[in-house]
Amino acid sequence: EDKVVQSPLSLVVHEGDTVTLNCSYEVTNFRSLLWYKQEKKAPTFLFMLTSSGIEKKSGRLSSILDKKELSSILNITATQTGDSAIYLCAVAHSGTYKYIFGTGTRLKVLA
Amino acid sequence: DVKVTQSSRYLVKRTGEKVFLECVQDMDHENMFWYRQDPGLGLRLIYFSYDVKMKEKGDIPEGYSVSREKKERFSLILESASTNQTSMYLCASSLSGGARAQYFGPGTRLLVL
Repeated sequence: EDKVVQSPLSLVVHEGDTVTLNCSYEVTNFRSLLWYKQEKKAPTFLFMLTSSGIEKKSGRLSSILDKKELSSILNITATQTGDSAIYLCAVAHSGTYKYIFGTGTRLKVLA
Repeated sequence: DVKVTQSSRYLVKRTGEKVFLECVQDMDHENMFWYRQDPGLGLRLIYFSYDVKMKEKGDIPEGYSVSREKKERFSLILESASTNQTSMYLCASSLSGGARAQYFGPGTRLLVL
């Protein structure tokens, strides 16, 4: 059965800390891996990764995919209270339209 | 910017009622999806549609049906609402072909009493 597992389940840090969120997957016919940030409502798209070893970066956020290890990390440097959210990882299935989601990592950043 | 809208943010319904949740996207996306999100279970796919009038069951279709009469609109129907359908419902859309990101609507929080 296809699955996506995120760790840790939750994390509390102080402003200015750097955090690393993990996503591992067991999915037949992998197409891409996506990261989303979910605050009080809809998940908002952060990154899509298709190739191993190529870092995607947006401001203080960055992510990389390791297809050999079947995993991805999302790094957030110099965290701010506005980074507090649930971070979701999803894997797109090649050959179907399905996306398999992890249960998310809940990040809380304290001032 | 991609915009996906959902007809209601909050809904309260009674057991046995028929419930309609509507989703509209304005980016001419071929694919549309309905998920429910529950604590500890993540997002689970109910149905998706890859074209007008085309639909496929997701992982948890029981108790739900869908309708896609126009490309921009995808409706989720709870034929006879039950308390175990209390949840957050999220609609999403994406382009077809290749690796594509999904874009989500704001969600509808449904409470069935």
